[in-house]
Amino acid sequence: DTGVSQNPRHKITKRGQNVTFRCDPISEHNRLYWYRQTLGQGPEFLTYFQNEAQLEKSRLLSDRFSAERPKGSFSTLEIQRTEQGDSAMYLCASSLATGGNQPQHFGDGTRLSIL
Amino acid sequence: AQTVTQSQPEMSVQEAETVTLSCTYDTSESNYYLFWYKQPPSRQMILVIRQEAYKQQNATENRFSVNFQKAAKSFSLKISDSQLGDTAMYFCAFMKHEGGSEKLVFGKGTKLTVNP
Repeated sequence: DTGVSQNPRHKITKRGQNVTFRCDPISEHNRLYWYRQTLGQGPEFLTYFQNEAQLEKSRLLSDRFSAERPKGSFSTLEIQRTEQGDSAMYLCASSLATGGNQPQHFGDGTRLSIL
Repeated sequence: AQTVTQSQPEMSVQEAETVTLSCTYDTSESNYYLFWYKQPPSRQMILVIRQEAYKQQNATENRFSVNFQKAAKSFSLKISDSQLGDTAMYFCAFMKHEGGSEKLVFGKGTKLTVNP
């Protein structure tokens, strides 16, 4: 079990630029989640995949945000035309769907700073 | 919509003592899960303990135990024999028990410091 891997760990970019983050889940996990965590807050749900299907999106996920999981393995989260308010830690988690509840395992996150 | 409230932004405890972190939640669901996650400084979030709402018995994991009061919608975490490594942010989280989603709804967290 190598854990959930997220890259990059840190991203600094200018307002208006596009950024893309990658998440590699635990290999046998077919559910993958994205959360956003701002300073002093708990993580907020953004979206979730089961295999390659995106099954749920939060209203927090504006049209500037897009997430994909093309082959049901790794996932990418892209933010277009970044804004100051996008500065946050972006967390990825994965879990094994077996019909019952399974705990979500989190990665270290990608910290995004918008200049 | 579900909400989770952690009313203690910060707490401290002496090493080897016991501390209790509070959490309340609001939901109209009858079946759900509750969790405590730990996030050490600059490290990833890890699951501490989990409780199924249909189980009356409080969950226990070594030094960690919960006091689950379903009618009061309260879910507190007790840490016994606190250790320096318990220093972290602790988040209470809620998950509906229905097919599909399993998204977590988190509280704002409690920063716990264990002092030597």
